[in-house]
Amino acid sequence: KQEVTQIPAALSVPEGENLVLNCSFTDSAIYNLQWFRQDPGKGLTSLLLIQSSQREQTSGRLNASLDKSSGRSTLYIAASQPGDSATYLCAVFNAGGTSYGKLTFGQGTILTVHP
Amino acid sequence: NAGVTQTPKFQVLKTGQSMTLQCAQDMNHNSMYWYRQDPGMGLRLIYYSASEGTTDKGEVPNGYNVSRLNKREFSLRLESAAPSQTSVYFCASSPGWGDLYEQYFGPGTRLTVT
Repeated sequence: KQEVTQIPAALSVPEGENLVLNCSFTDSAIYNLQWFRQDPGKGLTSLLLIQSSQREQTSGRLNASLDKSSGRSTLYIAASQPGDSATYLCAVFNAGGTSYGKLTFGQGTILTVHP
Repeated sequence: NAGVTQTPKFQVLKTGQSMTLQCAQDMNHNSMYWYRQDPGMGLRLIYYSASEGTTDKGEVPNGYNVSRLNKREFSLRLESAAPSQTSVYFCASSPGWGDLYEQYFGPGTRLTVT
């Protein structure tokens, strides 16, 4: 069964720092990996989707990489701002095993960017 | 273009009561999903509908039923609510099924069962 782990569980940084969020998964049979943002009491907003054949995706100050063979993804946030404060979730869309055809989510990283 | 909408936003039920959570999307998406989010457990898939006319069980289907009413609407029904079903429920949709497609989420329904 696919398991997704995110490290760290929480992160507090001053404004302007570059930071890295980590996501690892146990089964490399995936179709894609998505990074989401969730604000308190709200739904999830999709940030980036990386297909299994891709190595990275970029959107503005966000860059996500994928190393499928080692079961790892990182989300890089450049020049962080207080508005980036949220919970960041990664999820893999499974291509095999008992989780076939389903998204498996990590527990999330709670990010706080203070002025 | 409202995206994915869910009703109600909040609900309190007593054990044994029934209710239906409604979800609709206006993006002409083929696939729709129901998740629950619990502290320490993350988001877990309850049921999904890969295309209109089909539904399949996810990771935690017990105690729930779903109906894909048409291409736009996908409802989740609790026949006899239990305290263990206290959770935040999210509906999501995607254009299709496969590696190209992002999932788009609704704002959630916060359900408390006493």
